[in-house]
Order: sequence, then C-alpha cells, then structure tokens
Amino acid sequence: QLVLTQSPSASASLGASVKLTCTLSSGHSTNAIAWHQQQPEKGPRFLMKLNSDGSHSKADGIPDRFSGSSSGAERYLTISSLQSEDEADYYCQTWGTGILGVFGGGTKLTVL
Amino acid sequence: EVQLVESGGGLVQPGGSLRLSCAASGFIFSSYEMNWVRQAPGKGLEWISYIIGSGSSIYYADSVKGRFTISRDNAKNSLYLQMNSLRAEDTAVYYCARGTIPITIFGVLIIGDAFDFWGQGTMVTVSS
Repeated sequence: QLVLTQSPSASASLGASVKLTCTLSSGHSTNAIAWHQQQPEKGPRFLMKLNSDGSHSKADGIPDRFSGSSSGAERYLTISSLQSEDEADYYCQTWGTGILGVFGGGTKLTVL
Repeated sequence: EVQLVESGGGLVQPGGSLRLSCAASGFIFSSYEMNWVRQAPGKGLEWISYIIGSGSSIYYADSVKGRFTISRDNAKNSLYLQMNSLRAEDTAVYYCARGTIPITIFGVLIIGDAFDFWGQGTMVTVSS
C-alpha cells in the first residue's frame, strides 16, 4: 500500500533552517513526490517535484531558500533563512498505479 | 497565467446532491489531467478523483466511489464534480488541481504526476 508519512509538527527560529521529512512506504522507495505549502486560510501551493535521486524542479517564484533532497525512501524539504511567512502546513504528495493522488498527513511548521 | 476557480459549494442536507465546477484558464485545458482534492475542517488533504485530458480515463478514491462523478467539458475549459448521496463526512473544502500532460513510453501511457496548480477551493457543508 502506497503511504506517505510525515511528522505532525516542526519548529525552528526565524532566520534558521529546518528540514522536513516525508517517508515512502515499503516497496515505493523510488517514487517521485511533490511538496506543497498551505498557509493559514489559503489553498495549497505547489513548491517542487522531487525525484528519488534528489533532483528537483521548483515552481516558478519559489525562492532559493526552498530545496529538496532524497535518501532511500525519505524525501526532504529544507527551508533556510526562515521567514515568518514560511509558517504553514507542508504536505508531500505522490502517485501510483490506480491511485493518482496520495498525500502525507502534513507537517505544521511553526516559526519561532 | 494559470487560473483555476472553483464554484458551486454550499450547504446541503444529508442524502442530497451538489455539482461543483472548476473554471480553468491560462493553459491548454484539454491536454492536462485534472483532479479533485478535498480537505475536511482541521484535517489534511485527501485526493478524491482524477480525469485524463480526453475524459477517457477516470479514477476515484474508495471514499467517494459510486457516489461522486467527475467529468469535464474541454470546449468550456471546465471540470465538474457531481456529488450524490452526500454524508456529513463529505463536509470539506473542495479543490481542483492540475496534473500533467501524460506521456507514452514504449507504447504505455504514463499517467499521474505532481499537482502543479490549485484553485482557491469551494466549501461544501453537509448538515441537516
């Protein structure tokens, strides 16, 4: 079964860096994923598509502070030089045969 | 500029029906996969349905299969979600989200990809 696992919460200080993790279930470690940001009271926004080799393609307008990386079944989103507007929920998304959308539970990022 | 604008949400009684629309602009709508995703109050994102550009391939999540119907009108650049037999647990914000243009590799159509644009959502409340 294709499942994505995310920690429910994370926090970091203004100006610091934070690394969010999304873990693919067993047997799906080569899947690409996408990262989406959802600021309070807003719809989701696509950040980037992240491949198993760590290569990633960001959406237009996404700052260089946002980057992605991969290791085995884990996919990471690193946000550096944290700003107050980065406080949001972050979701990973993948897809598979017969199920075109699978989301992780989301990570609520608090900027201290 | 890509834009997706949902409409049609509202308050409906359990067992009732509602039809959502998503108006697309800024891209060649007929080429792209489209999806519906919902978010219950205070909860995470849940994918519920997919339709390929031609409309010939459709998928549903188990939670809505048999009750919801996805469709599209490429002449009107519009995506629809017909929701029947609504339940309280269908209460959510409903988003349309764009997928990709499918490619064919060695004769096999590869579908599914990142959702790269989202609408602002429309709220559906199922309550008596």
